[in-house]
Amino acid sequence: KNQVEQSPQSLIILEGKNCTLQCNYTVSPFSNLRWYKQDTGRGPVSLTIMTFSENTKSNGRYTATLDADTKQSSLHITASQLSDSASYICVVTGTGGFKTIFGAGTRLFVKA
Amino acid sequence: DAGVIQSPRHEVTEMGQEVTLRCKPISGHDYLFWYRQTMMRGLELLIYFNNNVPIDDSGMPEDRFSAKMPNASFSTLKIQPSEPRDSAVYFCASSWTGYNEQFFGPGTRLTVL
Repeated sequence: KNQVEQSPQSLIILEGKNCTLQCNYTVSPFSNLRWYKQDTGRGPVSLTIMTFSENTKSNGRYTATLDADTKQSSLHITASQLSDSASYICVVTGTGGFKTIFGAGTRLFVKA
Repeated sequence: DAGVIQSPRHEVTEMGQEVTLRCKPISGHDYLFWYRQTMMRGLELLIYFNNNVPIDDSGMPEDRFSAKMPNASFSTLKIQPSEPRDSAVYFCASSWTGYNEQFFGPGTRLTVL
């Protein structure tokens, strides 16, 4: 069964600290993995997209890594800011029809 | 570009009524996606179109749901008749290809009483 599991479910950190969010998936065959940021009341915004051959991709203070062998991805946020408070959703797409599986998301709270 | 435009932003209706949600994708994007988001189930892909043609509607929950894309700049998602369990935020997204970044609209928050 194709699944995407994210951890932790929620996370509270202090402003300026780093954090890492995890995503494990069983989608196969695999096409790409995306990380989205969703602010409360807004639509998701793409942070990174990685294909099978990519190990890491950065977008400012956001760095995503992918291990296609272990089917794991992580999103590292450096020097967190209050505006990083949001839900972070891992999305995995399989080949042949763009079958897309969404993770439940990690809710990040950054406190001053 | 104004991004993906959805209307209405909020919709409150009574059970049994017909609901129509509207979406205008980003100009030049060949793919359009409809999603539903609830606290219980998270984000779910309902249907997607390529060049105005429905490709995969396996995510559409029931026959009460239907979607159309009469041209490259407009799509609708219709629920008839609506039920309280349809209450959710419905997002429309578009992209250049099926594998590229998807740009999401602001969503329509639907409440069925």
